[in-house]
Amino acid sequence: NAGVTQTPKFQVLKTGQSMTLQCAQDMNHEYMSWYRQDPGMGLRLIHYSVGAGITDQGEVPNGYNVSRSTTEDFPLRLLSAAPSQTSVYFCASSYSGSAGYTFGSGTRLTVV
Amino acid sequence: GQQVMQIPQYQHVQEGEDFTTYCNSSTTLSNIQWYKQRPGGHPVFLIQLVKSGEVKKQKRLTFQFGEAKKNSSLHITATQTTDVGTYFCAVTESGAGSYQLTFGKGTKLSVIP
Repeated sequence: NAGVTQTPKFQVLKTGQSMTLQCAQDMNHEYMSWYRQDPGMGLRLIHYSVGAGITDQGEVPNGYNVSRSTTEDFPLRLLSAAPSQTSVYFCASSYSGSAGYTFGSGTRLTVV
Repeated sequence: GQQVMQIPQYQHVQEGEDFTTYCNSSTTLSNIQWYKQRPGGHPVFLIQLVKSGEVKKQKRLTFQFGEAKKNSSLHITATQTTDVGTYFCAVTESGAGSYQLTFGKGTKLSVIP
């Protein structure tokens, strides 16, 4: 059981570039979420999904897109990277909306 | 969205001392979860509390949910260096259709050997 797998682990982007952060889970979890973590800010919810084909916005969705075509995958897209998006990104999954989440190991993104 | 306050922000303790972090909400909570994040690591789920007044223990860790389901605490007895990290509470609002898990800003625990 791999759990939640995030790729890449590290990424440096130039302002204006686009990229996709990958997230995959093999636990057949319906609920998946993306968080960003900045010093002193805790974990802030970007987007979440309650099942394939269903996504919704969290606290800080601007500048990010998501889709959920399968139960396993929940990619996060940055359309035009900005320095303010420099952060550590975590993907997490759970079998229900009120159960504990399993987190991936994170992607450390730097936008220059 | 749901707001949750976590205090203190930082705590430095001597090894062997006790440690407590508190999580407070202005609204009634469906449940509360606690996570631990080691330095450089990812959050790891510790426990979930659901019932009013619930108390759960995991070895030296004691978790409590308030009677009004608006606050919670995590208490560590006789801290060890392995307890170092940031402890987060995370909450969902009470009521149907709320799937957003909102995290507090965390309490960073340092243990002096």
